[in-house]
Amino acid sequence: DAGVIQSPRHEVTEMGQEVTLRCKPISGHNSLFWYRQTMMRGLELLIYFNNNVPIDDSGMPEDRFSAKMPNASFSTLKIQPSEPRDSAVYFCASNARDSGNTIYFGEGSWLTVV
Amino acid sequence: AQTVTQSQPEMSVQEAETVTLSCTYDTSESDYYLFWYKQPPSRQMILVIRQEAYKQQNATENRFSVNFQKAAKSFSLKISDSQLGDAAMYFCATISNFGNEKLTFGTGTRLTIIP
Repeated sequence: DAGVIQSPRHEVTEMGQEVTLRCKPISGHNSLFWYRQTMMRGLELLIYFNNNVPIDDSGMPEDRFSAKMPNASFSTLKIQPSEPRDSAVYFCASNARDSGNTIYFGEGSWLTVV
Repeated sequence: AQTVTQSQPEMSVQEAETVTLSCTYDTSESDYYLFWYKQPPSRQMILVIRQEAYKQQNATENRFSVNFQKAAKSFSLKISDSQLGDAAMYFCATISNFGNEKLTFGTGTRLTIIP
């Protein structure tokens, strides 16, 4: 059974460029999460969706960040324009609350903005 | 609101020995889950073990077991027969079984295995 799939695994981009991170949750999971991890701030929840609807986006740092979930099997996190302080590991994760309530993480997308 | 505290930023253990990582938490929820996640240098977040708060029996997964003390709000992880591959950052976390699905993490414990 495939886990949470994220792409790209690594991305290096120049300041000001648009960055799009992609995620495919585990099949059958109805909640999807975007987390960011930095040395300074640890793991932060940016946003989560339930049944494709954004439920809590209070962690989205600013208007440069946006997330979408057009269907149950795909989500994107977009940063436009990117800044060096956005450099971090971005994790996508998914959960099926009705069957175990356990959040499984993807391998992460390492973003470096120079 | 939920909080998770890991008071040991770093721990080390001799290979093949046993080590216990501490975690305390606070929650107003009556129904919740507790987890230990492992993050090796690859940065992948790997689920190690989970515990349902309403179950009194401590969870075990091979060499990994927990000591869940609900009244004390304590959830420690014991790793037996430590192996080099156990070297990682370990995060304790909790999630409510109702309402917001936000996973609340501790700050992590870095475990070093001494050959």
